[in-house]
Amino acid sequence: EAGVVQSPRYKIIEKKQPVAFWCNPISGHNTLYWYRQNLGQGPELLIRYENEEAVDDSQLPKDRFSAERLKGVDSTLKIQPAELGDSAVYLCASSSKGSETQYFGPGTRLLVL
Amino acid sequence: QKEVEQNSGPLSVPEGAIASLNCTYSDRGSQSFFWYRQYSGKSPELIMFIYSNGDKEDGRFTAQLNKASQYVSLLIRDSQPSDSATYLCAVLHNAGNMLTFGGGTRLMVKP
Repeated sequence: EAGVVQSPRYKIIEKKQPVAFWCNPISGHNTLYWYRQNLGQGPELLIRYENEEAVDDSQLPKDRFSAERLKGVDSTLKIQPAELGDSAVYLCASSSKGSETQYFGPGTRLLVL
Repeated sequence: QKEVEQNSGPLSVPEGAIASLNCTYSDRGSQSFFWYRQYSGKSPELIMFIYSNGDKEDGRFTAQLNKASQYVSLLIRDSQPSDSATYLCAVLHNAGNMLTFGGGTRLMVKP
């Protein structure tokens, strides 16, 4: 069974540029999470989807961040415009219905110059 | 503010020794507790979870939970150099089903 897939794995952009990350969860997992992990810290939840509905986006900086999961499968996280402080690893995770166990993808390492 | 605290380390142990990793949490309503291992440059990988007070063993790993003290720990027996990684404690808050991670403890197992 394939794990959580994310792309790109690395992204370098200049500040004020837009950037997008893509995630495909484990097949059959209806819950999808986006986390941000700064260097030396644990992941912090940005948004959680149950199918196509965002059920927890309280930590998402809505002035510049947006996310979508239109068909309840894969998801895109966007930052526009990016700031220097957005440099981090963006992790996607998924879990199956009724399960509390989350499985993480390899992450996208973003560097904003 | 729901907090999960871990000593950042590094915790250095010799090969074959027991490594003890500790975590405290602030939300008394937390019900589920997870330990993830994260190698440098890689994503977190679930090691084990625990829901009930007491010990839970899985191979060389033992998770211990004390809800009265709001304390969860992970013991690694017969530590190997391949166990060298950052260990993340995560706590699930039933309100909103939100997982909060600690900052992680870096473990170094020296041959």
